Amino acid sequence: KAGVTQTPRYLIKTRGQQVTLSCSPISGHRSVSWYQQTPGQGLQFLFEYFSETQRNKGNFPGRFSGRQFSNSRSEMNVSTLELGDSALYLCASSLSSGSRETQYFGPGTRLLVL
Amino acid sequence: AQKVTQAQTEISVVEKEDVTLDCVYETRDTTYYLFWYKQPPSGELVFLIRRNSFDEQNEISGRYSWNFQKSTSSFNFTITASQVVDSAVYFCALGGGYQKVTFGIGTKLQVIP
Repeated sequence: KAGVTQTPRYLIKTRGQQVTLSCSPISGHRSVSWYQQTPGQGLQFLFEYFSETQRNKGNFPGRFSGRQFSNSRSEMNVSTLELGDSALYLCASSLSSGSRETQYFGPGTRLLVL
Repeated sequence: AQKVTQAQTEISVVEKEDVTLDCVYETRDTTYYLFWYKQPPSGELVFLIRRNSFDEQNEISGRYSWNFQKSTSSFNFTITASQVVDSAVYFCALGGGYQKVTFGIGTKLQVIP
């Protein structure tokens, strides 16, 4: 079974540009979550999608947006990039079975904003 | 507001020792989830467990065990007979479901051979 894939793995952008990151979940998983990890702020939750609906959103400005497609693939977009957006962006897909849930993370996309 | 405190920033143990990673949380919600994640030096995050706030049963998975105590708002993680491969940063988190997830700052565990 293929794992969670994220593309691209590395990205360099300049301030003011926008970027789109992609996440393909494990087949059959309908929930996809996004996280940002930086040395200063640590791990922060961005948003979660379930069956194409945003179920939850973290405390990030409107420049951060996302969506999920009918095949459960998800994209996140950051517009008007700032230096502080340089981070590792992680995506996870999850499967719930009764009260149990298992999450699987992708390798992440490392974004550098210059 | 939700808060997760991992007071131990770094721990070093000798291989085969037992080690407990502490996690204390704050929330006003009556229903919530607690999580533990592992991030080895390779960088990829690994999900370890999700615990529902209604389920205070301790859980054991191999050398890993978790102790959830609602009375003290703690969800501690113990590794028995630690191994070098356990060296990683471990994150505790709170939330999930329809609540946003809040992470602790992580505890870096070094297991010395």
